[in-house]
Amino acid sequence: RKEVEQDPGPFNVPEGATVAFNCTYSNSASQSFFWYRQDCRKEPKLLMSVYSSGNEDGRFTAQLNRASQYISLLIRDSKLSDSATYLCVVGLSRTALIFGKGTTLSVSS
Amino acid sequence: EAQVTQNPRYLITVTGKKLTVTCSQNMNHEYMSWYRQDPGLGLRQIYYSMNVEVTDKGDVPEGYKVSRKEKRNFPLILESPSPNQTSLYFCASSSQTSGVSYNEQFFGPGTRLTVL
Repeated sequence: RKEVEQDPGPFNVPEGATVAFNCTYSNSASQSFFWYRQDCRKEPKLLMSVYSSGNEDGRFTAQLNRASQYISLLIRDSKLSDSATYLCVVGLSRTALIFGKGTTLSVSS
Repeated sequence: EAQVTQNPRYLITVTGKKLTVTCSQNMNHEYMSWYRQDPGLGLRQIYYSMNVEVTDKGDVPEGYKVSRKEKRNFPLILESPSPNQTSLYFCASSSQTSGVSYNEQFFGPGTRLTVL
């Protein structure tokens, strides 16, 4: 059974807020982990890969907990331009990428 | 500019009228894939291709065909479209180096298909 579960939101936050998204996956054999960003009616774009040691890219921090099968994304100092849908993506193999349904973020001024 | 292109971007058609959605990438990627995205269901893989002449079914292949005669092109064919194939379709490509990890998938801009 292959599933990636995300809270769909929407998350409505003011500019400058810190917001965290969580994601769980069901297949313990999962090999790779990502967060993608999708703007309304546009194509998904890679935001960041997620590593066991955790990784940070500017205001974005991603963490992976393999034991709990849990992935998180933290956005600090939210900007209006962060408004989008964030997709949690898990790679089972070289050919199988499983997408979560996405979490919608709306940042307001 | 490195990109994945899809055509057409928008299409309204009628049940049973064969159609092809083209996908082309200029990054010399080995791996290409088709997804459909529906409200409440997320992105689901239709077909994928590891290289020229190598294709395989994804999670929702029924009603679709693909071909990979050239490395850069991966068309999606609907032989007899039905209303339940109304969806937003994305083509994607990535480089497949050795190992199990994925490289970044680059997506095309999407094709919004309506089947009446």
